[in-house]
Amino acid sequence: EVQLLQSGAEVKKPGESLKISCKGSGYSFDTYWIGWVRQMPGKGLEWMGIIYPGDSDTRYSPSFQGQVTISADKSINTAYMQWSSLKAADTAIYYCARATAAGKKGVTAFDYWGQGTLVTVSS
Amino acid sequence: QSALTQPRSVSGSPGQSVTISCTGTSTDIGGYDYVSWYQHHPGKAPKLMIYDVTKRPSGVPDRFSGSKSGNTASLTISGLQAEDEADYYCCSYAGSYTLDVFGTGTKVTVL
Repeated sequence: EVQLLQSGAEVKKPGESLKISCKGSGYSFDTYWIGWVRQMPGKGLEWMGIIYPGDSDTRYSPSFQGQVTISADKSINTAYMQWSSLKAADTAIYYCARATAAGKKGVTAFDYWGQGTLVTVSS
Repeated sequence: QSALTQPRSVSGSPGQSVTISCTGTSTDIGGYDYVSWYQHHPGKAPKLMIYDVTKRPSGVPDRFSGSKSGNTASLTISGLQAEDEADYYCCSYAGSYTLDVFGTGTKVTVL
């Protein structure tokens, strides 16, 4: 059974750093793109970026380029999203998700999703 | 890249059909056959309902169907059921620079 298990909720102060994780199981982790999606409070879904764990090829939506860093460690089937200096505006639920098709061709949809990680940034 | 435009809400009675539109441009929906639709119940993970415009993942009822004409994609829910009440988001590939973009989201209410 394909599963994506995300790390737990975080409460941080502005300016702090943070790294959240997404561990995949039940499939060949290094052959499917993993993506990250943001949902700010009361708002819609936003596509942030993707990583191919097999070679760590990473691509960002222009809105998130330079704002976050996506990485992966294929040896432990885990993808990450990290911030070097959090802002209150980073308060949101962050979902990881797996691309529908295997291989590097690209992401046309996400078929399996993590349960979400709530990040709260407040002084 | 702006979000794709969806109606804020649609509603219908049990058994009726509802259609959600998703309007983009020639650089996203109109340029590629890579439109997907997600059902999102608050507090839960989004669920893929349609991908590649018309394809249904295994386990998704055939009451859900997708289509596209020009720069507008649509999701139709036939035989509306109480459990279909949720937020629905479209998503489209928008090229190698923008990557993908979601719609603004539509709340479906079953009366």
